[in-house]
Amino acid sequence: QVQLQESGPGLVKPSQTLSLTCTVSGGSISSGSYYWSWIRQPAGKGLEWIGRIYTSGSTNYNPSLKSRVTISVDTSKNQFSLKLSSVTAADTAVYYCARGPDLGYWGQGTLVTVSS
Amino acid sequence: QSALTQEASVSGTVGQKVTLSCTGNSNNIGSYAVGWYQQISHGAPKTVMFGNSLPSGIPDRFSGSKSGTTASLTISGLQPEDEADYYCSTWDYSLSARVFGGGTKLTVL
Repeated sequence: QVQLQESGPGLVKPSQTLSLTCTVSGGSISSGSYYWSWIRQPAGKGLEWIGRIYTSGSTNYNPSLKSRVTISVDTSKNQFSLKLSSVTAADTAVYYCARGPDLGYWGQGTLVTVSS
Repeated sequence: QSALTQEASVSGTVGQKVTLSCTGNSNNIGSYAVGWYQQISHGAPKTVMFGNSLPSGIPDRFSGSKSGTTASLTISGLQPEDEADYYCSTWDYSLSARVFGGGTKLTVL
């Protein structure tokens, strides 16, 4: 059974860079034709797709976040990561990682608060 | 404003059949499979339908369909545990991005 687990700081200061890692267990991140996504949800709001990465390294990003987002993959650690730069309070949200194309597996989510 | 349009809220009684809709355009729903995601009490979302495929462990009272640029999720025989927020999502090739609907809050009366 594939499992995903997000990890990273729960508090980030404004203007700094948010960094999260998603660790995949129960299967190799490199096996199959999957891509790996980041999705976020501000409190009381809907889901927002941030971006995705294939294990080849190819990426796609949400146009509204593209200038600030970098997603990378480390197949040796079975992990993929998210970096979001120049954060503001509007980036406060629960951040999820998930496996595509069907988003059939999700992490439990991690709350990141942007505050000084 | 979401690229996909969903009802804000839908309600039904136990045992009733309810249908949730998701409207997009030819760039997204009209071209790609649609996923439906159930989120109970702000927990992690769970896939209840992708295209016409029912994921393992999801009751067969859930079914999905698509006509043109509108996708639908039907729950036949509504159960109390189906009360949740439901989101639709698919790829949009004009945006080169995955898009979500704003979500439908399903209440079981």
